[in-house]
Amino acid sequence: QSALTQPRSVSGSPGQSVTISCAGSSSDVGGYYYVSWYQQHPGQAPKLIIYNVRNRPSGVPARFSGSKSGNTASLTISGLQAEDEADYFCCSYAGTSLNWVFGGGTKLTVL
Amino acid sequence: QVQLVESGGGFVKPGGSLRLSCEASGFSFSDYNMNWIRQAPGKGLEWISYISSSDGTTYYADSVKGRFTISRDNVKNSLYLQMTSLRADDTATYYCAILGDGYKFDNWGQGTLLTVSS
Repeated sequence: QSALTQPRSVSGSPGQSVTISCAGSSSDVGGYYYVSWYQQHPGQAPKLIIYNVRNRPSGVPARFSGSKSGNTASLTISGLQAEDEADYFCCSYAGTSLNWVFGGGTKLTVL
Repeated sequence: QVQLVESGGGFVKPGGSLRLSCEASGFSFSDYNMNWIRQAPGKGLEWISYISSSDGTTYYADSVKGRFTISRDNVKNSLYLQMTSLRADDTATYYCAILGDGYKFDNWGQGTLLTVSS
């Protein structure tokens, strides 16, 4: 199973919005609504911020939103804050004997 | 609160073996499906193994199939990963993670670093 494709980096100024794309195939992103996103600050473990394409766990700000169109999922962060600077990874369930595929990660820089 | 603490990482020569552990607390460990996920230095995440809560069914990524074995002890609230025939490309931080409803990884440990080098 190939990794999902994410941009290596994105950037934005405080208050702006950024969108991170996650391109897969019909075997993963396009085939299931089990797309999740994780935020990882340097030296820390990943943290779940979006699941089932667009749902936020309790405690995750509404500034974080997810969507999907065809084989591509997207994470949008609106009203950027300095604390949002981190790496972001998408993940999709890929079926076939239970397996998951991750994206390569996107480094978000808040200018 | 939910806590996952990995241990057992270290420095191993190619071809060697090692067992990682993940001690769970703050939730009913026996009720949850568990996973191992790894991250090579400066790289992305890679799911490598799953074990069910109920009947111990296991699954592996192709990259580790036949070399790694996942297991659990619901009495000790612990998850394990037995790794053999280790290679340089197994060098990574290994995380244990709870699989929640909707096939999402709800909680992660802080990870344990494995370095495979001669």
